[in-house]
This record gives sequence, structure tokens and C-alpha cells, in this order.
Amino acid sequence: EAQVTQNPRYLITVTGKKLTVTCSQNMNHEYMSWYRQDPGLGLRQIYYSMNVEVTDKGDVPEGYKVSRKEKRNFPLILESPSPNQTSLYFCASSSVGRGVEKLFFGSGTQLSVL
Amino acid sequence: KQEVTQIPAALSVPEGENLVLNCSFTDSAIYNLQWFRQDPGKGLTSLLLIQSSQREQTSGRLNASLDKSSGRSTLYIAASQPGDSATYLCAVRMADNFNKFYFGSGTKLNVKP
Repeated sequence: EAQVTQNPRYLITVTGKKLTVTCSQNMNHEYMSWYRQDPGLGLRQIYYSMNVEVTDKGDVPEGYKVSRKEKRNFPLILESPSPNQTSLYFCASSSVGRGVEKLFFGSGTQLSVL
Repeated sequence: KQEVTQIPAALSVPEGENLVLNCSFTDSAIYNLQWFRQDPGKGLTSLLLIQSSQREQTSGRLNASLDKSSGRSTLYIAASQPGDSATYLCAVRMADNFNKFYFGSGTKLNVKP
């Protein structure tokens, strides 16, 4: 089954404790990205990757890091989480090329930073 | 910077009604527009994708239209059912950088039995 898998689904942590949210897709998609969803603000793009070892900032990259060492994986790293990073996070992927590429989403990670 | 707006933020209708959800965007240089459904506690599921060169797409009881020059898209739901209750979001993918996606805040739909 084609899917984007995120882990964990729920995460509670404390300020300053490094954490990683994993994302994996099994569709051989070139494009992967991370979003955060906050009430009233919709989804905002954090980082994206066009292929292995190619990443770039989205609209809200501060406080986040990513890496793309393999095509299927795109982890999101918070080196020193702060309470304003409490949010619902989504990973997404798509193929690229002909204008018909749908964006597929993971189930989300609800992060609370205390 | 692209801004995507969805009005209304919430909508409640009785079962069986036909309804229209609206999405507007400020920059018409889009690559495509996609409508999603989001159920509470779950991810986004793609409903319809319209390429920038298309005017509409249909899937079952859903019909999405796109007027790129005026910066508008609508999602038409025919004969609504309680199972249609969810939040509906639109997203545009930009033509000058198709790594960039911009989302609306969504319309929360409640279909009453």
C-alpha cells in the first residue's frame, strides 16, 4: 500500500531536549516536505527536499533541521525545542514532472513542548 | 507571497443539500491546485487535483473548478451526507517554484442527519 509513515504520532517533551520525528515513503517520490499546522494559520511549509542531499527552507524553518540521506526518508530534527514549536506536524511527498502529481500526507505528529 | 483564503471557516448544512466551498489565492501563477479532506486527528487525503490549464475535475459527488485568472477555486459537493463532515483544505503549488505549496486554513463542514 502506498503510504507516508510518520513516527511518533504523539510526543511530549521538555524545552531544550533534542528530538527527531521520522518520515518514510514507499512510493519512490523525489519530493518530500514538512509542514506544521496551527489553529487559524493553516499548514505552513518548514523544509522541503527535491531529492537525496537536496534540501531547502520553506516559510518557517527557524528552529528545525532536516536531512535527506536516502530517497525514502526525510527526518525532522528539533535540536532545542521550545514551547512555540508545540504544533501538529505533517510529512508529505509527491512525484514531480507533469503537473498532475498529488501530494500524499502522513498521519501527523502531535508535539507538545513543555 | 501567495496567500490562500477559504471562506467560510465553518459551515453546517442538513443532509442532502448541495454545497459549495470557496478557495481564493492572490498569485495566479500556480502549477496546480489540490483539494484535501482532513478528519479529526488524521492526515490530509487528496480529493481532487486541477492542473493550471484545466477548468474543472470531477470525482463522484465532488466537482472542483478553477478560474486561475480571477484566483478562485470552488469545491462542489452534491447530495451531502453525514460522512462528508470534515475539514476541507485547498492548496496551490506554485509555477515558478513547484517545491512551494500554500494552504488555506480550511472550511470545517458539518452535515447534520
